[in-house]
Amino acid sequence: ETGVTQTPRHLVMGMTNKKSLKCEQHLGHNAMYWYKQSAKKPLELMFVYSLEERVENNSVPSRFSPECPNSSHLFLHLHTLQPEDSALYLCASSQDSGAGNTIYFGEGSWLTVV
Amino acid sequence: EDQVTQSPEALRLQEGESSSLNCSYTVSGLRGLFWYRQDPGKGPEFLFTLYSAGEEKEKERLKATLTKKESFLHITAPKPEDSATYLCAVPRSIYGGATNKLIFGTGTLLAVQP
Repeated sequence: ETGVTQTPRHLVMGMTNKKSLKCEQHLGHNAMYWYKQSAKKPLELMFVYSLEERVENNSVPSRFSPECPNSSHLFLHLHTLQPEDSALYLCASSQDSGAGNTIYFGEGSWLTVV
Repeated sequence: EDQVTQSPEALRLQEGESSSLNCSYTVSGLRGLFWYRQDPGKGPEFLFTLYSAGEEKEKERLKATLTKKESFLHITAPKPEDSATYLCAVPRSIYGGATNKLIFGTGTLLAVQP
């Protein structure tokens, strides 16, 4: 059992759909993250939340919209995605957002955009 | 620019055949080096954190070591269940130093045959 739970595990959506990925952490951590993992590429950081405050990542397209209602929950809202956005989306958490903290990952949500 | 390079990309071992995986890094002000294991279709599972040159950590058949330029993950007498992708990562502070961004390598895919 992982301390970071993601739902759904698999999602297929059309380019005009709106969907959301959900993440919950049971570790009492104060920082939460969204990472993207594409085939043959290293994991890429998308967003960071520290104590529910968002840290901007300007390189992420606006069709990805994060939401952190409290320190245990994190959402990634998806709209008008492109086929190249198909990837494994990983939620993670750490005690706080400072460098050197161990980051724990969830099982991931496999997204396919058709 | 901070960079993490892992080698080899893929490694095939016979059960019981010991070997090492390499992770070389360039980062200013190392704040730790992390090793993760990732099984197919799952999120990365935390293995070790090393903070200073000369440090070593062990877990079952795995031993991680750190120098000023690289880290090794030694696998002693591996078993088929050790088959996975092994990822290393280093943290980099962003946004004024308050936020942790892990820079990942592309991983080593290890296959242990019985």
